[in-house]
Amino acid sequence: KQEVTQIPAALSVPEGENLVLNCSFTDSAIYNLQWFRQDPGKGLTSLLLIQSSQREQTSGRLNASLDKSSGRSTLYIAASQPGDSATYLCAVKTGANNLFFGTGTRLTVIP
Amino acid sequence: GAVVSQHPSRVICKSGTSVKIECRSLDFQATTMFWYRQFPKQSLMLMATSNEGSKATYEQGVEKDKFLINHASLTLSTLTVTSAHPEDSSFYICSATLGLAYEQYFGPGTRLTVT
Repeated sequence: KQEVTQIPAALSVPEGENLVLNCSFTDSAIYNLQWFRQDPGKGLTSLLLIQSSQREQTSGRLNASLDKSSGRSTLYIAASQPGDSATYLCAVKTGANNLFFGTGTRLTVIP
Repeated sequence: GAVVSQHPSRVICKSGTSVKIECRSLDFQATTMFWYRQFPKQSLMLMATSNEGSKATYEQGVEKDKFLINHASLTLSTLTVTSAHPEDSSFYICSATLGLAYEQYFGPGTRLTVT
């Protein structure tokens, strides 16, 4: 069964720093990988979707990479802002059309 | 991106009663809808997958007689928590997709509290 792990579980950085969140998955047979943001008590906001044939996607200050063969993805956030504080979840889609979620990284950007 | 709505956003009910949560895809026809639950400070756990017009597929450990799922149309799925108990209190999130190669869109979630 697919297992998705995110490291670190929590991260605090001062405003303006660049940072990297990591995601690893055990089964490389995936269709795509998504990064989400979740604010406390709220639903999920999709940030980036990378298809299995792609290596990276960019949106504004966010850049996500995918190395399917090694089962890894990273989410790079440039010039972090206090508004970026949230929990970031990665999820991989398998052939059963299911999304397997990681454990999440709780990010705090200190003003 | 596509929009998925959930109703209600919050519900409080007494132990032993049943609660229905609706999930709608507002601007696309979803061939597949999913129901997740999320406990505090934990990740999302898939409860069941439903395709329009057919029975839902439940994940191991999820009681299908307790969590009734109806996917009557390509834009609506409902989750009914029957005979709710305090341990059913959780955040329930639905999602919808056009298909395997497509993005999955998530609803805003429903906070269920059973007293």
